[in-house]
Amino acid sequence: DAGVIQSPRHEVTEMGQEVTLRCKPISGHNSLFWYRQTMMRGLELLIYFNNNVPIDDSGMPEDRFSAKMPNASFSTLKIQPSEPRDSAVYFCASRAVAGTGEQYFGPGTRLTVT
Amino acid sequence: GENVEQHPSTLSVQEGDSAVIKCTYSDSASNYFPWYKQELGKRPQLIIDIRSNVGEKKDQRIAVTLNKTAKHFSLHITETQPEDSAVYFCAAEEGFKTIFGAGTRLFVKA
Repeated sequence: DAGVIQSPRHEVTEMGQEVTLRCKPISGHNSLFWYRQTMMRGLELLIYFNNNVPIDDSGMPEDRFSAKMPNASFSTLKIQPSEPRDSAVYFCASRAVAGTGEQYFGPGTRLTVT
Repeated sequence: GENVEQHPSTLSVQEGDSAVIKCTYSDSASNYFPWYKQELGKRPQLIIDIRSNVGEKKDQRIAVTLNKTAKHFSLHITETQPEDSAVYFCAAEEGFKTIFGAGTRLFVKA
């Protein structure tokens, strides 16, 4: 298994531009998480999907952030418009079952907004 | 909501010594406590976990203890090696929601 796949690995964009991050979870996993990691705020859970349905998006910082999971093998996190303070590493993680258990993280997308 | 505090933020030990990282949580409903290791520039990876019905769990040089009454849990690494140098995150989970501690940067000096 290739593990969780994220793209792009690095993204540099200008303030005001739209950014789309992509994630392919491990096949057969039915839970998917988006995290943001910064030095100041650590690892923050942004949104969680179970069986492609968003369960909790209370961690999404603002309306500029949105996430979708159109099918079991693909999810996107979109920021529109982007701001310099959105610069961070964004991780996607998947889990085999709903409820507690190990999360498998992707390699992350390093986003820089200038 | 759940709040997880982790100490210390930085820990430096000599190779071969033990390292202990402590976490406290606030939500008594939390029932799963994983520990993740993140090497520089890499993704977090699970190294050990413990569920609320267990007080201690060990896997070779690492062990985790849980005190539900006091709402704290600890990671113990014995016979530390340079490759143990990384950031370690504790987390508390209730249902689906995982709240991570701020992380401990461990340096193991050869």
